[in-house]
Amino acid sequence: DTGVSQNPRHKITKRGQNVTFRCDPISEHNRLYWYRQTLGQGPEFLTYFQNEAQLEKSRLLSDRFSAERPKGSFSTLEIQRTEQGDSAMYLCASSDQTGGYEQYFGPGTRLTVT
Amino acid sequence: QKEVEQNSGPLSVPEGAIASLNCTYSDRGSQSFFWYRQYSGKSPELIMFIYSNGDKEDGRFTAQLNKASQYVSLLIRDSQPSDSATYLCAGNPNAGNMLTFGGGTRLMVKP
Repeated sequence: DTGVSQNPRHKITKRGQNVTFRCDPISEHNRLYWYRQTLGQGPEFLTYFQNEAQLEKSRLLSDRFSAERPKGSFSTLEIQRTEQGDSAMYLCASSDQTGGYEQYFGPGTRLTVT
Repeated sequence: QKEVEQNSGPLSVPEGAIASLNCTYSDRGSQSFFWYRQYSGKSPELIMFIYSNGDKEDGRFTAQLNKASQYVSLLIRDSQPSDSATYLCAGNPNAGNMLTFGGGTRLMVKP
């Protein structure tokens, strides 16, 4: 059973540039989540998809952030006009609908904005 | 007030002892609670989940939930140095799909 995968694992970008991250969930999971984690804090929820529908978005998700899951499989998270405050670990998780809400995380993408 | 609160630690226990990690939550609508282990520089790994009041055991781990007191705990028996990590408690406010995490408790198991 392949776990959640994320690419790239690390991204260094200059302030003002756009970045895009990809998440591939566990194959039979129809729910996909994005979280952001900064040093010393727990993950913070950003957004949630069930299949291709984006059902919840956090107030943390400013207009510069957009997420898609076009075919209900992989998802992308794009950050436009990056700011230094966007530096964080971006985590993707997935779960299925047959059990509870157990979410399994991918390895994360560490973003550094210089 | 944060929705999920944990003592940041570090909690230091000797090898072989029982480590007790605690978490309180504010949203009474939360139905499900999760414990994740996170090693430095790595992503969270799910180790236990609990939905009902009482205890749930899985190997060396026991999760305890008390909804009346809004309290969740994780006991680790026979602690090993490899258990040294940050333990994150999470709940699902309003019984929804998103998880709200505490800040984590750093556990150090000394040989």
